[in-house]
Amino acid sequence: DIQMTQSPSSLSASVGDRVTFSCRPSQSISTYLNWYQQQPGKAPKLLIYAASSLQSGVPSRFSGSGSGTDFTLTISSLQPEDFATYFCQQSYGVPYTFGQGTKLEIK
Amino acid sequence: QLQLQESGSGLVKTSQTLSLRCAVSGASVTSGAFSWSWIRQTPGKGLEWLGDISFTGSTRYNWSLKTRVLITSDRSNNQFFLRLTSMTAADTAVYFCVSGLLSMAAEPFDYWGQGTRVIVSS
Repeated sequence: DIQMTQSPSSLSASVGDRVTFSCRPSQSISTYLNWYQQQPGKAPKLLIYAASSLQSGVPSRFSGSGSGTDFTLTISSLQPEDFATYFCQQSYGVPYTFGQGTKLEIK
Repeated sequence: QLQLQESGSGLVKTSQTLSLRCAVSGASVTSGAFSWSWIRQTPGKGLEWLGDISFTGSTRYNWSLKTRVLITSDRSNNQFFLRLTSMTAADTAVYFCVSGLLSMAAEPFDYWGQGTRVIVSS
């Protein structure tokens, strides 16, 4: 299985801050990488697909980059509704696997 | 708008079988544009993809579940199912049915059901 490692596991930030999350797969996955946001008690929501493509309806303050074994999700200016947990997921090989998540908390 | 709704047994006894249903609206399970997955979430293991079924009825499974898992579909009623045998406490989780959008690069999981909590107890 491809192991997905996210860092940090948690992050404290303030409204207006720029934050970045890291995701590193255990092997190269080209750009077969998706990012999701999950609010407490809700299902995950797709933010970014194929490493850098913004899902329809997702604010442009979200962006993704990377390929191979190093990926980043960036939020350019945090809004109150962005405090949530973020997961990466690889679709390069079966079984599809997820990172353990980065919890973004209000400072 | 595609919608998915899980239903089924929320409390399962140890060693028994979990059966869940996912009702799909807004798209057809026979559409080649989608795959249909089951994903579960636990505090300890996080999000785990269990397997999927395609519009042709072909299936792929997470090998970690070995022969315990079965995913089927009912084209007439536009729904798909999860069956997980020999349940243990480790299978206690929130189970989601999810659509994968095959027309998009990296085939992301674009629509999720609300999730159904399953507790395994003796």
